[in-house]
Order: sequence, then C-alpha cells, then structure tokens
Amino acid sequence: NAGVTQTPKFRVLKTGQSMTLLCAQDMNHEYMYWYRQDPGMGLRLIHYSVGEGTTAKGEVPDGYNVSRLKKQNFLLGLESAAPSQTSVYFCASSSPYSNQPQHFGDGTRLSIL
Amino acid sequence: TQLLEQSPQFLSIQEGENLTVYCNSSSVFSSLQWYRQEPGEGPVLLVTVVTGGEVKKLKRLTFQFGDARKDSSLHITAAQPGDTGLYLCAGASGNNRLAFGKGNQVVVIP
Repeated sequence: NAGVTQTPKFRVLKTGQSMTLLCAQDMNHEYMYWYRQDPGMGLRLIHYSVGEGTTAKGEVPDGYNVSRLKKQNFLLGLESAAPSQTSVYFCASSSPYSNQPQHFGDGTRLSIL
Repeated sequence: TQLLEQSPQFLSIQEGENLTVYCNSSSVFSSLQWYRQEPGEGPVLLVTVVTGGEVKKLKRLTFQFGDARKDSSLHITAAQPGDTGLYLCAGASGNNRLAFGKGNQVVVIP
C-alpha cells in the first residue's frame, strides 16, 4: 500500500545544475500537486495537475516546470537550480471531488550549493 | 499575503495538560482541513470541517469550525507525547487546491 512515492529522498546540487523530481501515486487519483516547505513559510503550492496531460501554475511557479504524461506520475523539473530553491519538496494527490483530502509523499530534501 | 494565520506558532506543554490552537482566515473556504506532520514525513489528514459551527471529535482531539466558516480551533485534552507534531490547517478552493497556514508546532513533554 505505497500511496504517494517520491524519488529521490535527498539530493545536493550545484547552482546551475538541472534535475527532475519524480512523484508516483497508486490510488488512481486525478489531481496531483507539488509544494515546497520552507522554515517559517509553511507549504506553498508550486504547480498542480487536474488530469493527464494538463498542468497549471500555483502560488510560486517561477523556476520550475512540470509534466503529467501519465496519470500516476507527476514530474517537477528544475532547469537551472538556484540556492533559493533549497527546500523540502512534497508531492500530493487527491480525488477530484470537493473537499477531499490530499495524500502526501514523505518529501524530497533538496540542497542547492 | 498569508490567507491563513495559525496561533500560537509554538506551544510546549506538560503531559496531561490541555491545549488549544487556532486557525484564522481572511477568506471563506469551501472547507478547512487539519493535518499533522511529523519530522521527515508528509502531512497526514486529521479532519475536514465543512459546515459553519461544526464540531468534530477524533479521540482526544476536538475540532471546531466557526459560524462564519473563516476560523477553526483544535483542542487537545490530556495531551500525550504522541501528540507532538506540527499541526497545519488548510483552506480548500477550486480543483481541491489547498492554502496552508504556517502551522502550530506542539511539543508535549513527558
């Protein structure tokens, strides 16, 4: 019963490098979300998707791109990493009905040097 | 602009004491959700409140939604060390998007 799985769990990058964070869910959820969590800032929505092939911007989308080629996967990309993107990244999924809970992965801890 | 303000940000109490934390919104949401997050893990849903004035209980946790559906409180009776964690409130809007508060960090000392 995996739920939402995020890979990798930890990563250290140098400024300017690129990488992709992978989120996979096995609950057949339509909706998926990417957040970042920073000390004193809470969870902030980066991008989200309401279905395969669709994505939309959240509160803090700059510097990130996403893709939802398969229903079960939601990828978050950093094209040119910056120290300001050092954070803990969480992926979540939910069913499309109103007021449904979001199910979260355990996060990816990313440090940009 | 932070839509959801949680207070207090940090609370430390002795085992067996009661505590209340608050979540206040500048907007009306379709629902408010409370999550608990432990170190190294993602948030886990505790409860969803939808109707103004609604009260929900989860063992020793009591959640209340204000009549105007803009504020909520979480009361813990006889706190246990296992209640230690970061309590997050979140307001739901279109496409099930959530706007989170910064959280209430609760520490229960044995």
